[in-house]
Amino acid sequence: SAVISQKPSRDICQRGTSLTIQCQVDSQVTMMFWYRQQPGQSLTLIATANQGSEATYESGFVIDKFPISRPNLTFSTLTVSNLSPEDSSIYLCSVAEGGGNIQYFGAGTRLSVL
Amino acid sequence: KQEVTQIPAALSVPEGENLVLNCSFTDSAIYNLQWFRQDPGKGLTSLLLIQSSQREQTSGRLNASLDKSSGRSTLYIAASQPGDSATYLCAVLSGYSTLTFGKGTMLLVSP
Repeated sequence: SAVISQKPSRDICQRGTSLTIQCQVDSQVTMMFWYRQQPGQSLTLIATANQGSEATYESGFVIDKFPISRPNLTFSTLTVSNLSPEDSSIYLCSVAEGGGNIQYFGAGTRLSVL
Repeated sequence: KQEVTQIPAALSVPEGENLVLNCSFTDSAIYNLQWFRQDPGKGLTSLLLIQSSQREQTSGRLNASLDKSSGRSTLYIAASQPGDSATYLCAVLSGYSTLTFGKGTMLLVSP
């Protein structure tokens, strides 16, 4: 199974600033995903990070707020822009293997916005 | 739209008990179902994956069953231990790599 490294593991940010989260995989993968887990809630898919093209965003998530880069098949970043306390969540990166049949997750980034 | 429900939302048991966590989903057209474990403030650890053609999977003290036609899965934990305390998430794969998660069952096993 793929090994996923996610940085930072946690951060505390001021309102109005931005945070960029990195996701590094130890093998080339076609599909990478970004999820958000708000306090007390389950995981919600933000977007699918596509290599060499724009990310595909789910309903309720927009590129201006959550810009994503995917420069190659082993790396992606998610930026959470113009932070507000409502953005305080755990953000997780995942990759799909087995033809998209199985997903593996990084350890997550815990973001607190003051 | 696929919806996943997990019951109970929280469960507290004494060490040594056998327990069952329940997961139901509304659309039976799934590729597979996964059970994950999440420790507080941490990421997800995959526990068991059941393909849509399978009925159950076992790993150590864990056994997961799948009844696709009725939209149900159960996770059975035998001889629970304090180290099993965590939130257990059920997720179904449907569509094109679209994982839908339940809200989880928070388990506390007391010594």
